[in-house]
Amino acid sequence: DIQMTQSPSSLSASVGDRVTITCRASQSVTSYMNWYQQKPGQPPKLIIYPVGNLRSGVPSRFSASGSGTDFTLTISSLQPEDCAIYYCQQSFSTPRTFGPGTRIEVK
Amino acid sequence: QLQLRESGPGLVKPTETLSLTCTVSGQSIGGSSFYWAWIRQSPGKGLEWISDTFFSGTGFYNPSLKNRVSISVDTTKNHFSLNLASVTAADTAVYYCARSSYYETGGFSYYYFDVWGRGTRVLVSS
Repeated sequence: DIQMTQSPSSLSASVGDRVTITCRASQSVTSYMNWYQQKPGQPPKLIIYPVGNLRSGVPSRFSASGSGTDFTLTISSLQPEDCAIYYCQQSFSTPRTFGPGTRIEVK
Repeated sequence: QLQLRESGPGLVKPTETLSLTCTVSGQSIGGSSFYWAWIRQSPGKGLEWISDTFFSGTGFYNPSLKNRVSISVDTTKNHFSLNLASVTAADTAVYYCARSSYYETGGFSYYYFDVWGRGTRVLVSS
């Protein structure tokens, strides 16, 4: 199985800050990386799919990059509604695996 | 608008079989080119993919669960079902169904879970 790690596990930032989350795969997943946002009491919501495509309706302050084993999700200007847990997920191979999540708190 | 809704018992006894159904509205499962997925989430294991199933019943399973998982698809009722046998407390989780969609470019097909149900909480306890 491909193991996913994320860092940091949590962060707190102010409105307007640029925030970057890192996701690392235990082996190359080329560009097969998705990102999800989950708010309390809700299912995960797809925000970015390969290759760096923003899902329709997702604000353009979200972006993603990376290939191989190292990936990043960036929020260019953090907003209060971005308070959530963010997960990476590889679709290079089965079993599909998710990262443990990064909790973002907005100060 | 595509919607998925999970249903099933919220409490299952250890050693019994957990049975959940995902009813799809807004799109026909039969003949579609999508896979239909089960994913669960627990505090201990985080998000864990269980399976992707095609409308024909073929698909992929998580090897860690494969011996206990069976998936069925009923295109007449437009739903698909998960059976997880011999459950233990470790199977306590929120279970989600989702559509496994894909994006094709450059000869590659990139899969992602684009529509999710709200989830159903299952507790395994005597």
